[in-house]
Amino acid sequence: SQTIHQWPATLVQPVGSPLSLECTVEGTSNPNLYWYRQAAGRGLQLLFYSVGIGQISSEVPQNLSASRPQDRQFILSSKKLLLSDSGFYLCAWSVMVGQVDYEQYFGPGTRLTVT
Amino acid sequence: QKEVEQNSGPLSVPEGAIASLNCTYSDRGSQSFFWYRQYSGKSPELIMFIYSNGDKEDGRFTAQLNKASQYVSLLIRDSQPSDSATYLCAVNVYNYGQNFVFGPGTRLSVLP
Repeated sequence: SQTIHQWPATLVQPVGSPLSLECTVEGTSNPNLYWYRQAAGRGLQLLFYSVGIGQISSEVPQNLSASRPQDRQFILSSKKLLLSDSGFYLCAWSVMVGQVDYEQYFGPGTRLTVT
Repeated sequence: QKEVEQNSGPLSVPEGAIASLNCTYSDRGSQSFFWYRQYSGKSPELIMFIYSNGDKEDGRFTAQLNKASQYVSLLIRDSQPSDSATYLCAVNVYNYGQNFVFGPGTRLSVLP
C-alpha cells in the first residue's frame, strides 16, 4: 500500500531564517505531488505541484520554492521566512489512471510557526 | 474563478441522527468530487469520491451529486461523536490534479 511521509511534524522558526520541509511517498511510482498550505481556520491553498522529477509548477508567487530531486521526494524551501508563512503545510500525491488525475491523498503535515 | 462553497458551520446534530453536509461549485466543467474529513490538528483524510450523478453509498456515508444543479452533498447516518470534524468538499475540474479546488470546510459537531 502507498504511504506518504512528511517531516518535521512541527517547526518553530524565527523570521528571516531558511526553511526545508520534506515529503516522500512509498508504494507508488511517478506520482503527481502537491504542496498545500492551510492557514489557521482557512481552506487549503495549493502552492506547488509536480508531475515528474525536476518539473515544478507554482500556483502562488511568494518567497517559497519547491524541488523534486527524486521521483518520490518533494521538498519545500524558503531562503527567508516571513511571519505570513506560518501555517499547516501538507504534501499530497494523486492517483493517475491514464491521463486522468483522480483522488489526492495527504501526508500528516508540518505545522510551521514563524516567530 | 473556480469556486467551491460550503457552510462553515458549526453544524450540530445529536448522536444517532443524520448529518447533511452541502457543497456547491461554480465550474460546470467539474468532473470529479471528493469529501475529506479533517480532525483538529490533523491532515485531511479522503472518505468519499463520486464521479457520476446520483448517490454513492459507503457504510454510513452517502455522497450525492447533481451536476445540473452544481451541488454535491454528504450524508452521515447514525452520526457518532467520533464524526465530529471539519468536512472539506473538493472538486477536480478537467481531471487534472492542479485543478483541485477545496471548499473552506464545514465543522460538524455530534452531540452525545
